[in-house]
Amino acid sequence: GQQVMQIPQYQHVQEGEDFTTYCNSSTTLSNIQWYKQRPGGHPVFLIQLVKSGEVKKQKRLTFQFGEAKKNSSLHITATQTTDVGTYFCSNNAGNMLTFGGGTRLMVKP
Amino acid sequence: NAGVTQTPKFQVLKTGQSMTLQCAQDMNHEYMSWYRQDPGMGLRLIHYSVGAGITDQGEVPNGYNVSRSTTEDFPLRLLSAAPSQTSVYFCASSYSGGADGELFFGEGSRLTVL
Repeated sequence: GQQVMQIPQYQHVQEGEDFTTYCNSSTTLSNIQWYKQRPGGHPVFLIQLVKSGEVKKQKRLTFQFGEAKKNSSLHITATQTTDVGTYFCSNNAGNMLTFGGGTRLMVKP
Repeated sequence: NAGVTQTPKFQVLKTGQSMTLQCAQDMNHEYMSWYRQDPGMGLRLIHYSVGAGITDQGEVPNGYNVSRSTTEDFPLRLLSAAPSQTSVYFCASSYSGGADGELFFGEGSRLTVL
């Protein structure tokens, strides 16, 4: 499958600060999915982006797919303690759904 | 619907033992897959299946076997457990995989190999 790299690996923020994680690929991606995994839990699907330049919002979360379809970002506005967890991007290459290494978000109250 | 059910939730094995991790889904999903997650790391694809009777290798297939005799079940077999296989294993399913492949994950099976 196509490799996707995520940065940063870890992020500590103060509650109320914004947070962004990036997903990058050296090749064009067919689509990007984002998942959230709470500590001790299992990954839960957040969203899928398919179109070049696509932007989607879910309340305080904004997801973007790059114009060249080689990168994507997830931005959280005004983080809350409930945002704690690891955020993964995933790419479908045919029938192989592979994941980036994840960004672990920690929020200080 | 129960979704994706994995058993057991926890297992301790000795090196060289074999075991099977069970995965069942009740959503009539064609696509099923197994991932392993090591501490602080992402999810690595072990094997996947696009339908009953069809399986294929993922990124890290060595030491694992799978079969898909029914749409509902996708067991993962460890043939001769090694300490390097200590990990959390997740089973996941989706309606079709591919371009519209939102994955639904089970709660995970934590395996320790001594």
